[in-house]
Amino acid sequence: NAGVTQTPKFQVLKTGQSMTLQCAQDMNHNSMYWYRQDPGMGLRLIYYSASEGTTDKGEVPNGYNVSRLNKREFSLRLESAAPSQTSVYFCASSEEVAGGLDTQYFGPGTRLTVL
Amino acid sequence: AQTVTQSQPEMSVQEAETVTLSCTYDTSESDYYLFWYKQPPSRQMILVIRQEAYKQQNATENRFSVNFQKAAKSFSLKISDSQLGDAAMYFCAYAGNTGKLIFGQGTTLQVKP
Repeated sequence: NAGVTQTPKFQVLKTGQSMTLQCAQDMNHNSMYWYRQDPGMGLRLIYYSASEGTTDKGEVPNGYNVSRLNKREFSLRLESAAPSQTSVYFCASSEEVAGGLDTQYFGPGTRLTVL
Repeated sequence: AQTVTQSQPEMSVQEAETVTLSCTYDTSESDYYLFWYKQPPSRQMILVIRQEAYKQQNATENRFSVNFQKAAKSFSLKISDSQLGDAAMYFCAYAGNTGKLIFGQGTTLQVKP
């Protein structure tokens, strides 16, 4: 059981470039989440997916898009990267659908730098 | 909207001693979960302990325990017999009816040998 995996671990982009962060979980969880963590701050929710085929905005969705490809995979796309998107990105999953309470389990994170 | 506040940016403790990290939250919901996550230098977010709001009994996990005061909206983490491996940033988090986690700002814990 790998849990939640994320690729890549590190990435450097130039302003205006695009990229997709990949996330997969093998725990058969229904809900998946994308967070960003900026220095000195806690994690903030970007987007989440309560179940396959559904996605919703979180606290800081601007500049991002997501795709829930299937139950296992949830990707985060930056269409035109900006320096303000320099951050560490975490994917998480939980068994319950949104609206239920459950523990979230996190991936190892992706450190993204936008020059 | 719910908020989570950790008022201690940094704490330090001597190895083998006990330390308590503070967390307060604000919510109008009656049913929710509270969590403490540990983030070591590897950046991995590790679940330390979970408390369901409907449970009056404080959660414990080995050397980690919480003091959950629902009326006061307080949720502190006590680490007993502190070890060098406990050095990390600790985040308090709230999950309400939406299931979405709201994090505090974090407390950096230093453990001195």
